[in-house]
Amino acid sequence: GAGVSQSPSNKVTEKGKDVELRCDPISGHTALYWYRQSLGQGLEFLIYFQGNSAPDKSGLPSDRFSAERTGGSVSTLTIQRTQQEDSAVYLCASSLASTDGYTFGSGTRLTVV
Amino acid sequence: DQQVKQNSPSLSVQEGRISILNCDYTNSMFDYFLWYKKYPAEGPTFLISISSIKDKNEDGRFTVFLNKSAKHLSLHIVPSQPGDSAVYFCAASAIDDYKLSFGAGTTVTVRA
Repeated sequence: GAGVSQSPSNKVTEKGKDVELRCDPISGHTALYWYRQSLGQGLEFLIYFQGNSAPDKSGLPSDRFSAERTGGSVSTLTIQRTQQEDSAVYLCASSLASTDGYTFGSGTRLTVV
Repeated sequence: DQQVKQNSPSLSVQEGRISILNCDYTNSMFDYFLWYKKYPAEGPTFLISISSIKDKNEDGRFTVFLNKSAKHLSLHIVPSQPGDSAVYFCAASAIDDYKLSFGAGTTVTVRA
């Protein structure tokens, strides 16, 4: 596609439920990143996928968070047993493996009530 | 542990005047610095960058200055325009690291 597409744009969920956030990167971009922005905070790195290499999961805050990238394209971020502190805007970005080329999606605003 | 800090959460400037946004970092391994701009309900978009081998990079109305000894960079917007009203994020990466560390952002409001 022309840009990075994320869905849903907004998600309200009850504490304890699981959620899935989707990212469709720019076609041909081999690198895919997930970040999140909590209220009043900067963007926090979560996970990085590059081609067929093992992902860098070093930013995932707990084992309730997981992500996969199927066929080197679409990625899904899953949060199990959501907590109120998970409320944030989750941003996906893709690039041609250079920091200059980060293109962000519009994000998913997750609210856990 | 916030490695990139933007200590001014907001800035208001009159149209036509200069906007100066500041950013400080703590990690001496950072060698590449970027500014991103974000409008509401949109993702951040890349604005301008600078490598640690330079102390200034200019692109039209936007200039980024880097002071490595002070671990400080700034973004100058001259002249400021109403369309510049947005949140500006400072970001940095270390050598051979694809991860960006972001500041908390500065909200710029340009008054007509």
